[in-house]
Amino acid sequence: DIQMTQSPSSLSASVGDRVTITCRASQDIDNYLAWFQQKKGRAPRSLIFGASSLHSGVPSKFSGSRSGTQFTLTITSLQPEDFATYYCQQYYNYPWTFGQGTKVEIK
Amino acid sequence: QVQLQESGPGLVKTSETLSLTCTVSGDSISTFYWAWIRQPPGKGLEWIGYIYYSGRPNYNPSLKSRLTISADRSRDQISLKMNTVTATDTAVYYCARLNRYNWVHWALEIWGQGILVTVSS
Repeated sequence: DIQMTQSPSSLSASVGDRVTITCRASQDIDNYLAWFQQKKGRAPRSLIFGASSLHSGVPSKFSGSRSGTQFTLTITSLQPEDFATYYCQQYYNYPWTFGQGTKVEIK
Repeated sequence: QVQLQESGPGLVKTSETLSLTCTVSGDSISTFYWAWIRQPPGKGLEWIGYIYYSGRPNYNPSLKSRLTISADRSRDQISLKMNTVTATDTAVYYCARLNRYNWVHWALEIWGQGILVTVSS
């Protein structure tokens, strides 16, 4: 199975900050990567697919990029509603696998 | 507006069969693929499998021997059955609409609210 490793596991940030979350795949997955946001007690919300394509309705403050097997989710101008846990997921190979999550907390 | 609603027993006994239904409203299940994902309490997400209403399901190999995912087009429902459950199957189970962009990009687009299933003796 392809292992997806996110870093950091958690981070503290302030409103207005720019935040970067990294996800590294254990092998080449091309750009077959998605990002999700999950607030406590809620279902995940789909943000990005294809490493950088935003789902409909997702604000442009969210962006994704790829460099080899390393993927990055960037959130600009962090707002209170952005504090959540973020997951990456690869769909290059079965079984599809998720990262362990990155919790973004208020500083 | 498409909505997904999971339903089923919240408590299942050890070694018995977990049975869940995902009811889709606002769309026909024949338009998209449909997936199941689960999340143990306090832990991360695990892909269970997906189905197209007229095709064979695709299962996570680690769960395949215990799984059946099926689709009922007449009711716009997707079902999940997992047999011989243990405490490690305790989780929130989500159904989600799965779209395929450009025939290569699988995207979990819309999620149900999830249902907590506890496995206990």
